[in-house]
Amino acid sequence: KQEVTQIPAALSVPEGENLVLNCSFTDSAIYNLQWFRQDPGKGLTSLLLIQSSQREQTSGRLNASLDKSSGRSTLYIAASQPGDSATYLCAVGGADGLTFGKGTHLIIQP
Amino acid sequence: GAVVSQHPSRVICKSGTSVKIECRSLDFQATTMFWYRQFPKQSLMLMATSNEGSKATYEQGVEKDKFLINHASLTLSTLTVTSAHPEDSSFYICSADGTGASLNIQYFGAGTRLSVL
Repeated sequence: KQEVTQIPAALSVPEGENLVLNCSFTDSAIYNLQWFRQDPGKGLTSLLLIQSSQREQTSGRLNASLDKSSGRSTLYIAASQPGDSATYLCAVGGADGLTFGKGTHLIIQP
Repeated sequence: GAVVSQHPSRVICKSGTSVKIECRSLDFQATTMFWYRQFPKQSLMLMATSNEGSKATYEQGVEKDKFLINHASLTLSTLTVTSAHPEDSSFYICSADGTGASLNIQYFGAGTRLSVL
């Protein structure tokens, strides 16, 4: 059964810093990997979707990479802003559907 | 883009009552919808997979008689929490698969916060 781990569980950095969030998964037979943002008490906002045949995706200040063979993905956030504060969830899509990590709670200090 | 509407966004009810949550795909047809539950500071956990016109498939440990799922049309699935108790208080999120099983892409609703007093 797929297991998804996100490190760190929480992160607090000053505004303007570049940062990296990590996601690892145990079963490399995946269809895709998705990064979501979740604000407190809210639903999910899809940030980036990487298909299994792709290595990375970029959207604005966000860049996500995928290394299927090693079971890892990273979400890179450039020039962080206070508005980036949220919980970031990694979800792996496979034959069993979507498996979520517990998320990284990110706080960007003004 | 694909939009999934979930209603209500928040509900507070007394213990023993039943609560119905609706999940609609607004601009696409969804043969499959999914229901997740999220406890505070925890990940989303799949409760059940809902297929249009057939019975839902429940994950291990999820009581099918307590969490009734109906997927009567290609754009609507409902989750009814029967005889709700305080331990059922949680954040419930639905999603819809609009692109077929091979791509496994899900579009998510905004979630429903259930508080049982």
